[in-house]
Formats: sequence, C-alpha cells, structure tokens
Amino acid sequence: KAGVTQTPRYLIKTRGQQVTLSCSPISGHRSVSWYQQTPGQGLQFLFEYFSETQRNKGNFPGRFSGRQFSNSRSEMNVSTLELGDSALYLCASTLRATGTSRGEQFFGPGTRLTVL
Amino acid sequence: AQSVTQLDSHVSVSEGTPVLLRCNYSSSYSPSLFWYVQHPNKGLQLLLKYTSAATLVKGINGFEAEFKKSETSFHLTKPSAHMSDAAEYFCVVSLLFGNEKLTFGTGTRLTIIP
Repeated sequence: KAGVTQTPRYLIKTRGQQVTLSCSPISGHRSVSWYQQTPGQGLQFLFEYFSETQRNKGNFPGRFSGRQFSNSRSEMNVSTLELGDSALYLCASTLRATGTSRGEQFFGPGTRLTVL
Repeated sequence: AQSVTQLDSHVSVSEGTPVLLRCNYSSSYSPSLFWYVQHPNKGLQLLLKYTSAATLVKGINGFEAEFKKSETSFHLTKPSAHMSDAAEYFCVVSLLFGNEKLTFGTGTRLTIIP
C-alpha cells in the first residue's frame, strides 16, 4: 500500500498570500489529521476530518481551515499568511476516527512552508 | 486534560551502549501512549504503542517501552544504540475512548557518538 502523500513538499510564499496544501491518505483510511511543526512550538494539532466532517479542532486562528473530500483526500488552507506560519505541515491518516481506532496515525513526509 | 513531559531535550550515547528516553504522562482517563521517531527532513514513524494490553511493549528496531501507571511513566529503551538511531523522538498521548487528538511531547534529540 502506498503511504500518506503530501503535495507540494516545499512551498515559498510571501506575507498576505494564501496557500493550499494537499494530503492523500492511505487507501481505505477515512480519518485525516493535520499538524503544524515549528522549532518554537513543537508539534501542534490543527484539525481532524472524518467522513468529510471536521471532528476536532486545535487552537489556531480562523485563517487556518481545511476540508475533506468524499475520497478522503484532504486539503488545508491558510489565508493571509504571516511570517509565523512558516513551518512543516504534517498530515496523518488512520483507519477510523481518532480516539476510536486504538491505533497509530500514519504520517506523511510533510510540506515545508516558508513565508517571506 | 492530557499531556506528556519528555524529561530530556537532548540525549547523547555511544554506539553500542543502552538508550533511555524518559517520558511522563498526565491523563484523566486510561490513555493510549505512543513513541514516534522523526529522522531529519522526514515524517513521523511509529516505534511502538501502548493501548492497555501488556505493560511492556516491544516496537520496531529493537526499541521497547514499559507503561508504569504508579509512576505515570512510559520510558523508551534500547539495549544497544546504532548510528541509524540518531533522530528526534516524540512521546505522544491520546485518550482511548475519547475524541481527542494526539498530544505530543516536546521531543528528545538522540545523538549517537561513534
């Protein structure tokens, strides 16, 4: 089985722009979660989608949004980019919704976003 | 509320010597606990998980961890370090039956001295 894929792998944007990141989960996995990783804040949960519905949300401003499609692929969008949004954005998939699967989440390689 | 504390931000060991990475957790309910590893410029890979079965959990690449409820600890060990073990290690907690996201520790960078 192919693993979790994320596109693009690297992205450079300027302040004020918006960006869309894409995540394709492992085939058959229905839950997709997004995380932000920065040197200062570490790994922080953004949100989780299951069956096209947002089930969980972290403490991020409304500029961060996401969605999930019927094939379980997910996108996250960041509008009005700020310098502090520079980070590695990781996507993870799991078979069932987080908290019910009793299993691990499978992570993609991440998208490295740099905001200039 | 749930949280994990990784007691060491950086650990250095010589190749062939034992590895100990320490993690304490806090959870109001029975937690699931995980150790993930992240190699440079790579995503996270699961090493092992505890989900209320055996308290001694064996993972990949010779790693194991022991769940100690009385000490609220879930330390990661390996008998003999290999150069390829150099990476960042994260202790992670999740509620078993809740709807909670993964909560990550701050990470421990493991350096292997040749």
